[in-house]
Formats: sequence, C-alpha cells, structure tokens
Amino acid sequence: NAGVTQTPKFQVLKTGQSMTLQCAQDMNHEYMSWYRQDPGMGLRLIHYSVGAGITDQGEVPNGYNVSRSTTEDFPLRLLSAAPSQTSVYFCASRDRNQPQHFGDGTRLSIL
Amino acid sequence: KNEVEQSPQNLTAQEGEFITINCSYSVGISALHWLQQHPGGGIVSLFMLSSGKKKHGRLIATINIQEKHSSLHITASHPRDSAVYICGGADGLTFGKGTHLIIQP
Repeated sequence: NAGVTQTPKFQVLKTGQSMTLQCAQDMNHEYMSWYRQDPGMGLRLIHYSVGAGITDQGEVPNGYNVSRSTTEDFPLRLLSAAPSQTSVYFCASRDRNQPQHFGDGTRLSIL
Repeated sequence: KNEVEQSPQNLTAQEGEFITINCSYSVGISALHWLQQHPGGGIVSLFMLSSGKKKHGRLIATINIQEKHSSLHITASHPRDSAVYICGGADGLTFGKGTHLIIQP
C-alpha cells in the first residue's frame, strides 16, 4: 500500500493563478482532511470529508475548494492564489476512531 | 470550538534526560492524538488514546479525562528524538501548535 500520496511535492505560483493539489489514499478510509502548516500556527484544518460526496469546512476554508467524488481522492483547489496561501499543505486520511495517516506534504510558494 | 494547548512551546534537553510534553484540551474532545514531525519531514502518528496510558518503546502517553490533560513522556532521550510533537483531537479538527524538542548530545 502506498498510503496517502500527495502531488506535487513543491510548487511555485504567481498571485492570481489557480491550481489543484492532489491527494489519494489506497486504504479505503472514510475520512480525509486537508491542513496547512505555518510557523507558529501549527496544523490548521482547511476542509474535510467524512465520505464520498460529503465535504465540510474547517477552520481556514477561505480561498480553497474541495470535492470528494470517490473514496480514494480528495483534491484541494486554490481558486486565485494569494501570497497568504504560501504554506506547507498536508492531506490525511483515517478510518472512524483510528489514527490519521498523513501524506508527505506539498510546499507551496505564492509570489 | 475545540481548543488544544501545548506546553512548553520549545524544549532543549541533554541526551538521556526524561522529557515531558503537556497537552490540555477543551470540552468536545473525547480522544487525543499525538504526532511526531522531524525537521523537514512528514508527520507520523505516535499514539491515539482516550483513557489511561500507552507505551511504545521509550515513549509513553497518558491521559486524564477528568482534567482534560495528556502528557507525552520520553525516557532516556536521544538526539534522534529531536522533532516537533503535536497533540490534537483524534477527530482531526483541532491541533495544538506543537512542541519543538531538541536533544543535545
């Protein structure tokens, strides 16, 4: 099993560009989440999903969209990139009442 | 909103010392998750617990449900334990800001 796979690992964007961060898991987990990690702020939840077709907002959802059309995939879309979205992004998945499995992260810079 | 507070924020210790990292949480969190993140690295799960104590190697996690408090202990610390340790609700909704631990040889 590959676990949780995030792509790309690194990305540089210009302000105003859009892009999609990909996240896939092969463990048939119900729950998937996107976090951003910033110095001094810790992990903050952007969006999460409790199953295919169901998504909800976390603490910092503005500027991001998600969808969950399959159990395996949970892409995160930046609609119009802003410098404030420069961060490290982590995707995670888990089963109910089980520990989270994290991807390796995507380091995103917005110029 | 669930809240999680960790202390200390930063901790530097000598190799071999006994380490304690504390985590306090608010109402609404019924189980706690401890994570480890090495510099520049990914995030791995250490423990998930809702009561009592769990042990894995030199790491021990305890939780007191009544006091809404958990601790992570490292015995006989080693430089390879240097990492950021993060606690949070097991539901993944809220995490503390992390404790930066440096173990000096």
